[in-house]
Amino acid sequence: EVQLVESGGGLVQPGRSLKLSCVASGFTFSNYGMNWIRQAPGKGLEWVAYISSGSSYIYYAETVKGRFTISRDNAKNTLYLQMTSLRSEDTALYYCARRGWRWDVMDAWGQGASVTVSS
Amino acid sequence: IQLTQSPSLLSASVGDRVTLSCKGSQNINNYLAWYQQKLGEAPKLLIYNTNSLQTGIPSRFSGSGSGTDYTLTISSLQPEDVATYFCYQYNNGWTFGGGTKLELK
Repeated sequence: EVQLVESGGGLVQPGRSLKLSCVASGFTFSNYGMNWIRQAPGKGLEWVAYISSGSSYIYYAETVKGRFTISRDNAKNTLYLQMTSLRSEDTALYYCARRGWRWDVMDAWGQGASVTVSS
Repeated sequence: IQLTQSPSLLSASVGDRVTLSCKGSQNINNYLAWYQQKLGEAPKLLIYNTNSLQTGIPSRFSGSGSGTDYTLTISSLQPEDVATYFCYQYNNGWTFGGGTKLELK
């Protein structure tokens, strides 16, 4: 069974940093691209970042470019999102999601890690 | 590419045929998917490439469309279909629509 489990969320002050992790199991993690998607409270979904299977290709949404860094450790089956210079508008539930094998869709999702940016 | 979903809220009865709309600001070239998100849960992939049903998804769900206009249809609404539905395009970048909340009448 494919499983994605996020951790590392919490309450953080504006301007501070936080690092999310996502541990994958039930599939060969090193073969798949991975994404972070976020959802502000009561709002829709926003794609945040993508990293290819071997970390060769990395893309960010304009709203987080220069502040967030996506990375992965295939030996540990773990995806990361380093978030710096956090703003109140970054408050959201952050999902990690697997890119489909053939098509550029997210075909498996974690349950999310909650990030609240507030003083 | 921006995606506009309509309606934002839809009330329907069990057994109804339900149609949800998603319109792109540019041609999406059929790289359009649909997700279902139930309250308190992660989104679930229903449809990809406009009309391909994801494994394990009931056949009452179907997708259609082309160009800028796409549709998700539920042929016979079931109580467990109450959820918010998001369209998602991957033709040019990656963007989600604002969602349609589907409730029972």
